Amino acid sequence: QQPVQSPQAVILREGEDAVINCSSSKALYSVHWYRQKHGEAPVFLMILLKGGEQKGHEKISASFNEKKQQSSLYLTASQLSYSGTYFCGSLFNKFYFGSGTKLNVKP
Amino acid sequence: NAGVTQTPKFRVLKTGQSMTLLCAQDMNHEYMYWYRQDPGMGLRLIHYSVGEGTTAKGEVPDGYNVSRLKKQNFLLGLESAAPSQTSVYFCASSQNSNQPQHFGDGTRLSIL
Repeated sequence: QQPVQSPQAVILREGEDAVINCSSSKALYSVHWYRQKHGEAPVFLMILLKGGEQKGHEKISASFNEKKQQSSLYLTASQLSYSGTYFCGSLFNKFYFGSGTKLNVKP
Repeated sequence: NAGVTQTPKFRVLKTGQSMTLLCAQDMNHEYMYWYRQDPGMGLRLIHYSVGEGTTAKGEVPDGYNVSRLKKQNFLLGLESAAPSQTSVYFCASSQNSNQPQHFGDGTRLSIL
C-alpha cells in the first residue's frame, strides 16, 4: 500500500526544474509532501485534499490527480536549499510514506 | 514553542534490554505517531494514536508497544531489544489525518 515515488534520485544544477511523482495502486484521498534534510526530521511542505487541487509555496508547487491516483511535486528554478529527500504520504487504512526521492542541487 | 520533543536523543542498548522512548507535544494535537527510519529508507509507521487512551498498530508493530495515557505524551516501548531494531525513531503529531504532521528531532537507537 506504500505510495511509489519516482525518480529515486535527481541531480540538478541551481536554477533547473524538477518534477517528483507519487502514485498509488489504491485510491488516493489526500497527499502529503515533506522534505527531509540529511540528519534532520522531515518538514511539512503541503497537503492536497481534493482531486485537481494545486498548491504552491514559493517556487515549490504540487498537483493531485485523483483519477490517475497520483500527485506531482514541481520544483522551479531550484536553489541549493532545496537539496534533501522528498517524501509523499497518504492515508489508506493507516498512514504510509513513499520511499523518497533524493534531490541534490549543485552550484 | 517546543512543538514535539523526543527523549532521549541517542541511546545504545544491548540485545535483550528494554527501554522506553518518550514523545511529548505541546500543540494539543489529537493524533500522535511513531515511525522508524532505517538508513537510506523511508518512514515506516510503527504505532499511532488518534486520541488520549487509544492506540493502534501501524505497518511494522512487532516488537514494540505504546501507551497514550495523557494527550500530550506518547510512549514507545521495546521490551526485549534486537539488533534489527537499530534505527532512527521519529515521533510526530497532528490535529487529524488531513493536517500536517509535526516531527520531533528523532532518537538514534543502536542495539548491539
